[in-house]
Amino acid sequence: GENVEQHPSTLSVQEGDSAVIKCTYSDSASNYFPWYKQELGKRPQLIIDIRSNVGEKKDQRIAVTLNKTAKHFSLHITETQPEDSAVYFCAASTRGADGLTFGKGTHLIIQP
Amino acid sequence: GAGVSQTPSNKVTEKGKYVELRCDPISGHTALYWYRQSLGQGPEFLIYFQGTGAADDSGLPNDRFFAVRPEGSVSTLKIQRTERGDSAVYLCASSLHPRDSLGYGYTFGSGTRLTVV
Repeated sequence: GENVEQHPSTLSVQEGDSAVIKCTYSDSASNYFPWYKQELGKRPQLIIDIRSNVGEKKDQRIAVTLNKTAKHFSLHITETQPEDSAVYFCAASTRGADGLTFGKGTHLIIQP
Repeated sequence: GAGVSQTPSNKVTEKGKYVELRCDPISGHTALYWYRQSLGQGPEFLIYFQGTGAADDSGLPNDRFFAVRPEGSVSTLKIQRTERGDSAVYLCASSLHPRDSLGYGYTFGSGTRLTVV
């Protein structure tokens, strides 16, 4: 089955700086890669996603890039703000399989 | 409803007891998923329903776990003979038909925190 690795487990950046979280996946048949943000004690919320026919997608301060050859994808947050502090999860899904395989999460800390 | 609703929000049970966790998906969402999230981990897939049928139950850890969705809306996750290792947050999510559409994005519920003592 699919295996998703996520790094780093904790990331601390100064407010206003950029943050990058990286994930790798094992199944070359995976074709959908969402990112979720989870604040303490709350539900995961989808923040951005990308499909395998696209290399990059942007939504305001958030962008995701996908390298299918290397089987890795990354989340980029620019001009970080205190409210960006949370745990971020990457995930992958394979056509024909309906569940998502999640990474272990990255705890993003924005230092004021 | 406006979102995915899960009840109860917290459940404490004794080892060996039976528990039921309920999920009420967003109206009109045909796909429903159950995940389990242990402390410090990402959600772990358990089972997926398309309509009334379990289309993929490959994530259920063993035969103590069972889920139903008899009318294609509300789903119940049932755990028999609970063990301390079952303690986790059980998350439900729903979406429009996922597989070959653009609607892959899930909406998660707030979860049920199950504690087995």
